[in-house]
Amino acid sequence: QQPVQSPQAVILREGEDAVINCSSSKALYSVHWYRQKHGEAPVFLMILLKGGEQKGHEKISASFNEKKQQSSLYLTASQLSYSGTYFCGTDETSGSRLTFGEGTQLTVNP
Amino acid sequence: NAGVTQTPKFRVLKTGQSMTLLCAQDMNHEYMYWYRQDPGMGLRLIHYSVGEGTTAKGEVPDGYNVSRLKKQNFLLGLESAAPSQTSVYFCASSSPLQNYGYTFGSGTRLTVV
Repeated sequence: QQPVQSPQAVILREGEDAVINCSSSKALYSVHWYRQKHGEAPVFLMILLKGGEQKGHEKISASFNEKKQQSSLYLTASQLSYSGTYFCGTDETSGSRLTFGEGTQLTVNP
Repeated sequence: NAGVTQTPKFRVLKTGQSMTLLCAQDMNHEYMYWYRQDPGMGLRLIHYSVGEGTTAKGEVPDGYNVSRLKKQNFLLGLESAAPSQTSVYFCASSSPLQNYGYTFGSGTRLTVV
């Protein structure tokens, strides 16, 4: 079942923060986050494997609440290069295939 | 290191024609996938493979067939193309050694007229 992402779109000024949420109706083994720029392939950002785990990648970090079946992606002090569509991908069965959300379009303006 | 290579990058088909999309990876990944991406719908899994000689259906398999005769290659076939198959197709690969993080190919933009 497809996870639900919110918000669908967000517009920021450079330096502002944003949070993107991903919720599933099913128990999850892991959550992946990807960023896709227009006309390009999605690029892997990070994977969260354990409940309550939080990981970081530059100024982008994420958390995974296993009990709530939710993950959040945190973008702090946003840069122009952060613009793109962010997808969460959820895995219910310890590996092998992901179900992706519809994406959150993030635009960072000067 | 090329990663995941998809061919062709663009293709226009007439309704009823057939074609094969090729995906090749040089990372020795066990798992390979075919997704389609349509506006506002994210990425939907068509078929996937957990190893050479194995394939399985994903969320939207109808109208497509796949084969994985060699570990590095995953082929997606359209036997009789329909306008509803107009989409951008992405191949991806992953490995349990890297926690199944996906590496995507650059995509194939297919238009069926």
